[in-house]
Amino acid sequence: GAGVSQTPSNKVTEKGKYVELRCDPISGHTALYWYRQSLGQGPEFLIYFQGTGAADDSGLPNDRFFAVRPEGSVSTLKIQRTERGDSAVYLCASSLTVLGGAGELFFGEGSRLTVL
Amino acid sequence: KNQVEQSPQSLIILEGKNCTLQCNYTVSPFSNLRWYKQDTGRGPVSLTIMTFSENTKSNGRYTATLDADTKQSSLHITASQLSDSASYICVVKVPGGSQGNLIFGKGTKLSVKP
Repeated sequence: GAGVSQTPSNKVTEKGKYVELRCDPISGHTALYWYRQSLGQGPEFLIYFQGTGAADDSGLPNDRFFAVRPEGSVSTLKIQRTERGDSAVYLCASSLTVLGGAGELFFGEGSRLTVL
Repeated sequence: KNQVEQSPQSLIILEGKNCTLQCNYTVSPFSNLRWYKQDTGRGPVSLTIMTFSENTKSNGRYTATLDADTKQSSLHITASQLSDSASYICVVKVPGGSQGNLIFGKGTKLSVKP
């Protein structure tokens, strides 16, 4: 597709379960970002990748959160032992490059996670 | 500490009226500043980008201004339409910074009423 694709669009799970959220960036974009957005708030940075490596994971709230991008394209955000406080919209974005460029992010529609 | 502050937090206006949203930043050095529009349930979409040397830029009914001396930007919406109802997020790019070089504001939620 032409844009950033995120799946699932909605995920309802029970407290303590494991979830995976997938992001398929725009083809050729080397930088990929994950953000978390709570209701009425701006996006909160979680992690970004330049190619396959996590260039900055300082936004991950704790070790229950992990993200991978093994082939430098699709990324998966993994959340273990989910808690009710993890409920939010998880946004993925990609950009042509992190270094240099105008820095425009192209966002997906988000994955809405609800932990019961 | 690099920060981006937006005001007001929320705003309600009548269709056809103008409004101005504010973005103040303490980011230094500075690469560019971008305004994004986020419709409810959607991802943010870029409206306009301002670089250090630009004072004003228009995109249809949207006009962004930048004062690099006072580190302030504004987004002016003219003749508002119901479809302008959205959150508007100010994002500043930092050269060589962390967090992917981007600092986000919390956004202004605009509601346009008929």
